[in-house]
Amino acid sequence: QSALTQPRSVSGSPGQSVTISCTGTSSDVGAYKYVSWYQQYPGKAPRLMIYDVSKRPSGVPDRFSGSKSGNTASLTISGLQAEDEADYYCCSYTGSYTLVFGGGTKLTVL
Amino acid sequence: QLQLQESGPGQVKPSETLSLTCTVSGGSISSTSYYWGWIRQPPGKGLEWIGSIFYSGTTYYNPSLKSRVTISVDTSKNQFSLRLSSVTAADTAMYYCARLDRTPGISGTHFDYWGQGTLVTVSS
Repeated sequence: QSALTQPRSVSGSPGQSVTISCTGTSSDVGAYKYVSWYQQYPGKAPRLMIYDVSKRPSGVPDRFSGSKSGNTASLTISGLQAEDEADYYCCSYTGSYTLVFGGGTKLTVL
Repeated sequence: QLQLQESGPGQVKPSETLSLTCTVSGGSISSTSYYWGWIRQPPGKGLEWIGSIFYSGTTYYNPSLKSRVTISVDTSKNQFSLRLSSVTAADTAMYYCARLDRTPGISGTHFDYWGQGTLVTVSS
């Protein structure tokens, strides 16, 4: 069960859009519609931003969206704001009732 | 509002057993709609799923930790617990408990409520 692959860092200017990728295999991301995304500020617990690939929990701005193509899931943040600067983690169901996280991506708002 | 709170020793000696408890308030741990799980994060590193439990006691573990992990539930106290045996410095991490939304036929697939986390250091 290997960690999902995310870019270590991405950046964008306020108002722009950024996309964070999460690459797995045909046994996890590619096989199931159960990919979730979490936002984490330094010293804080993660917060659920997207679940089931593209669903947003109540209270999450619609600037955040998720998608999946093949073995790669993506989180897109449009209209980037300073408060979006944080670490982002993807997570996928892998079958056999197990879960795996990505290595995390640090988003910098320039 | 659902709240989860981790508790337990902040320091454990190498080769000993790490024990943590998560107390759930504002909701019932016996709900059939949710699983309950543990996640850890070594300092400066990413998240790692440790395992999940249903109120009935059904458990699922990360294969890489399965031989050392036990997760249990106490519905009378609205708590669930983590035990990790034979710890080493590599087990030093922030440990989070969380609720997982249950997908029928699958188990828990995403974490919608998290505790604040508790730092456990493995050191003699």
